[in-house]
Amino acid sequence: DIVMTQSPLSLPVTPGEPASISCRSSQSLLHSTGYNYLDWYVQKPGQSPQLLIYLGSNRASGVPDRFSGSGSGTDFTLKISRVEAEDVGVYYCMEPLQKYTFGQGTRLEIK
Amino acid sequence: QVQLQQSGPGLVKPSQTLSLTCDISGDSVSSNSVTWNWIRQSPSRGLEWLGRTWYRSKWYDEYAVSVKGRITIKPDTSKNQFSLQLSSVTPEDTAVYYCVRAGYHDSSDYRVFGYWGQGTLVTVSS
Repeated sequence: DIVMTQSPLSLPVTPGEPASISCRSSQSLLHSTGYNYLDWYVQKPGQSPQLLIYLGSNRASGVPDRFSGSGSGTDFTLKISRVEAEDVGVYYCMEPLQKYTFGQGTRLEIK
Repeated sequence: QVQLQQSGPGLVKPSQTLSLTCDISGDSVSSNSVTWNWIRQSPSRGLEWLGRTWYRSKWYDEYAVSVKGRITIKPDTSKNQFSLQLSSVTPEDTAVYYCVRAGYHDSSDYRVFGYWGQGTLVTVSS
């Protein structure tokens, strides 16, 4: 089974500052199509998770361009260029290549 | 706009069967391009995919190894809904359960968990 490991697990950020979350998978997520099968979801307080990034680097509809995803194979990064108060929540990476395994989550909070 | 509305009891006794239903609006459970999933979330196990059902000329299902043998996900075409049954529950099955639609995003041919139900906290306790 693929294991997804995120870091850090807690991320206090000052508004306006950048933030970065790492996600590592125990197996390569590079599909034969050439795409990386890695998605990012965010769960805001009191809400169900929602899609943020798909195929490693594609922003979902309506996601602000301050969010970006990068990486390939086993190492991926979610970056927020300038954190805003509304970005508070728990961020999860997920692999849909095998059995939809999620990372442990990274809790982003405002300093 | 797709909406998923969950229903079911919030308290189940140990050894009994957990049953939840997900009503679908804005799509059909028999759609040929989506899958219908159940995912749960608990402090100890995080987000855990449990299984899915889908229709491609006939019905299919697939389950996580962790719950295989105890789980059934079934469509109900007459009510446009799908359900989760998890038998022989223990306190370890206490979690928030989500029904989730996996469908193509924008013009891609890649399915994402694009629509989630509101979540149902199910507590297993006597």
